[in-house]
Amino acid sequence: GNSVTQMEGPVTLSEEAFLTINCTYTATGYPSLFWYVQYPGEGLQLLLKATKADDKGSNKGFEATYRKETTSFHLEKGSVQVSDSAVYFCALDSNTGNQFYFGTGTSLTVIP
Amino acid sequence: GAVVSQHPSRVICKSGTSVKIECRSLDFQATTMFWYRQFPKKSLMLMATSNEGSKATYEQGVEKDKFLINHASLTLSTLTVTSAHPEDSSFYICSARGGRYQETQYFGPGTRLLVL
Repeated sequence: GNSVTQMEGPVTLSEEAFLTINCTYTATGYPSLFWYVQYPGEGLQLLLKATKADDKGSNKGFEATYRKETTSFHLEKGSVQVSDSAVYFCALDSNTGNQFYFGTGTSLTVIP
Repeated sequence: GAVVSQHPSRVICKSGTSVKIECRSLDFQATTMFWYRQFPKKSLMLMATSNEGSKATYEQGVEKDKFLINHASLTLSTLTVTSAHPEDSSFYICSARGGRYQETQYFGPGTRLLVL
């Protein structure tokens, strides 16, 4: 079946630190992979996506590479800011139906 | 890109009343819409999938008579929480796909429901 496993939080970093949030998946077929961000009290916002193996999604300094060999889609940012504090969700679209699979979310707090 | 709106963004109601939440695709025709529920500090749980003009398909454990979903047009789906109780308090998020935006789901901003 399809599933997404995401590293548990919460994660607390100092400003300008390097961020990695691990995400691995299991899937049948050829899924698309996503990272969504949810700021306090708000809905989901698409952060980046990758639709096939070796694609790299990037946005606002965040990036993630679709690694089929390790079934991973880890989120990275070289230098986090206080405004990056949010909950980050890794997600998978199986592309075989309508089901979207979400990880449990990782809460990130960046302190000045 | 695709824009999905929800209304209201926040609603407080008394126990026993019904609440309707609207989900609209603003710039595309959404042949399929999805309703999710998010519990505090938890991930999103798919409640149901609705195709325009058809009955919604509910996920296991979701009460059909409790959460009424209508997808009467290609741009609007509604979720009605009937006889709401405090345990129905949650964050409800819709998403949509269709038209030129078939490749994935586009999410609305969510509706926070508080039942007193």
